[in-house]
Amino acid sequence: KQEVTQIPAALSVPEGENLVLNCSFTDSAIYNLQWFRQDPGKGLTSLLLIQSSQREQTSGRLNASLDKSSGRSTLYIAASQPGDSATYLCAVYRDDKIIFGKGTRLHILP
Amino acid sequence: DAGITQSPRHKVTETGTPVTLRCHQTENHRYMYWYRQDPGHGLRLIHYSYGVKDTDKGEVSDGYSVSRSKTEDFLLTLESATSSQTSVYFCAISESQNYEQYFGPGTRLTVT
Repeated sequence: KQEVTQIPAALSVPEGENLVLNCSFTDSAIYNLQWFRQDPGKGLTSLLLIQSSQREQTSGRLNASLDKSSGRSTLYIAASQPGDSATYLCAVYRDDKIIFGKGTRLHILP
Repeated sequence: DAGITQSPRHKVTETGTPVTLRCHQTENHRYMYWYRQDPGHGLRLIHYSYGVKDTDKGEVSDGYSVSRSKTEDFLLTLESATSSQTSVYFCAISESQNYEQYFGPGTRLTVT
């Protein structure tokens, strides 16, 4: 059974720092991996989708990498801002299923 | 933002009553999904649809049924609501299997 883990569950970082969020999964036979952002009381916003044949994807200050063989993905956020404060979730796709991690709650300190 | 709406956005109901949540999309995507989000459990798939009248169960389908009579609408029904179904329910859509999913704003359901 596929399990997706995100550690740490919460993270506080001073504004301006670069940071890395981690996502690990137990079954490397995945199709895609997607990173989301969720603000309190809101829905999920898609940040980046990495296809299984890709190693990384970039969007603005965000860079996501995927290493299927080791069952890991990272989300790199450059020059963090207070507006980046949110919960970040990763999700892996396999066939008709998508399995979510429980998220990392990120707080950027002004 | 993808054109996804959910109704109602908030609902309080009593144990044993039927409840129907609606998801409406304007993107003409083939796949639609219902999830619930609970503290400590994260997001879990309830049911999904891969076309009109084509649906399948997810991880936590007991106590829920779905219907999709039109491409744009996907209904989630709790036949007899229980307190354990108090949760935030999200609808999502995607063009195809394993494609990027887009989420609606959610429905907060409280069963008293």
